[in-house]
Amino acid sequence: GAVVSQHPSWVICKSGTSVKIECRSLDFQATTMFWYRQFPKQSLMLMATSNEGSKATYEQGVEKDKFLINHASLTLSTLTVTSAHPEDSSFYICSARDLPSGNSYEQYFGPGTRLTVT
Amino acid sequence: QKEVEQDPGPLSVPEGAIVSLNCTYSNSAFQYFMWYRQYSRKGPELLMYTYSSGNKEDGRFTAQVDKSSKYISLFIRDSQPSDSATYLCASNTGGFKTIFGAGTRLFVKA
Repeated sequence: GAVVSQHPSWVICKSGTSVKIECRSLDFQATTMFWYRQFPKQSLMLMATSNEGSKATYEQGVEKDKFLINHASLTLSTLTVTSAHPEDSSFYICSARDLPSGNSYEQYFGPGTRLTVT
Repeated sequence: QKEVEQDPGPLSVPEGAIVSLNCTYSNSAFQYFMWYRQYSRKGPELLMYTYSSGNKEDGRFTAQVDKSSKYISLFIRDSQPSDSATYLCASNTGGFKTIFGAGTRLFVKA
């Protein structure tokens, strides 16, 4: 089945530093990848949508200069949290879709990355 | 108004009970309706999907969509402690963006 991996699974960083999170589709080509943020006991908040080779489309209220997304290949997307602050601490989850060959509903999620900024 | 509304719970049931999880939605253009299960500190996994109205059954799980009332349901029969998780409903028009509900936390007590 379609597998999406994320690395790292957990990261602690100091305030002011940058952190990069990788999202990989292991057995399919992900033409579209999504980045979500999830606070404890809350639902998924879509941050941005990225298509391979194109600039990411950010949701309203998400700072594109703070959350840098790169989708350089059909199997890899990265999210870089720049100048991280404690309020950026959250659970970040990526997901991938295989379009146009995949169905509209098929969206495969990574296991998530827990970011703690001290 | 959120496009997909879901009661966050928590919902606590004894083992063996029938569980009913529900969502409502407002966008008439939604065509695909999904249920995801998310265990603590893990990414969501797709449980079931339904296209347009109707029922779909998979083992102990039944997904139901009523487009006339804009109502989405997931039924779990013979619930097990291993079913304890957060269940998210989601809808999609067939395009790129899937809208998720807030998720209902379910606890099945042994």
